[in-house]
Amino acid sequence: AQSVTQLGSHVSVSEGALVLLRCNYSSSVPPYLFWYVQYPNQGLQLLLKYTSAATLVKGINGFEAEFKKSETSFHLTKPSAHMSDAAEYFCAVSDRGNKLVFGAGTILRVKS
Amino acid sequence: DAGVIQSPRHEVTEMGQEVTLRCKPISGHNSLFWYRQTMMRGLELLIYFNNNVPIDDSGMPEDRFSAKMPNASFSTLKIQPSEPRDSAVYFCASSPLRGRNTEAFFGQGTRLTVV
Repeated sequence: AQSVTQLGSHVSVSEGALVLLRCNYSSSVPPYLFWYVQYPNQGLQLLLKYTSAATLVKGINGFEAEFKKSETSFHLTKPSAHMSDAAEYFCAVSDRGNKLVFGAGTILRVKS
Repeated sequence: DAGVIQSPRHEVTEMGQEVTLRCKPISGHNSLFWYRQTMMRGLELLIYFNNNVPIDDSGMPEDRFSAKMPNASFSTLKIQPSEPRDSAVYFCASSPLRGRNTEAFFGQGTRLTVV
């Protein structure tokens, strides 16, 4: 079965600083990977997805993620954090039957 | 499109009562998923349907939980009888049935509190 591990349940950055949220995957088949964001009292919203077309994937709100097969990683980055980026971020991998298996989530705090 | 619609947004009920959560998927989507989110266990997939047929219900915690999808535009998740440990946010999501590279679209969730 496919799975993902998110390193760090909480990440705190200053406004304007680099955001780096870590995700490692385990998959017996070529993985399809996703990052979602959840704002307080909201559902999950897709940030970006990797579907093997390109290893560097650009998403919404200035986020991007790079697929590294050798490291089994799919880390999420943003060059400059904004206060509005404060939310919980989930990495997910697609399992058989196109169901998504989610990581535990990382809460991003942005300090002014 | 209005997106995935869940109702109610909030539900407070007493232990032992029956609770029914409702979901309307995005029109044209063939897959529907029910997830539960708690602080302790994160996001758990309870059950999913393809073309209205339950495919995998291995995540349903107990026989107290049941889900139905009578048609392509409606699904329910029922808990009977409810218990305090069922308190969580329940999400419904839908996606087109196009393979593993397809993302799911989530509803706003139903926050269930069982007292």
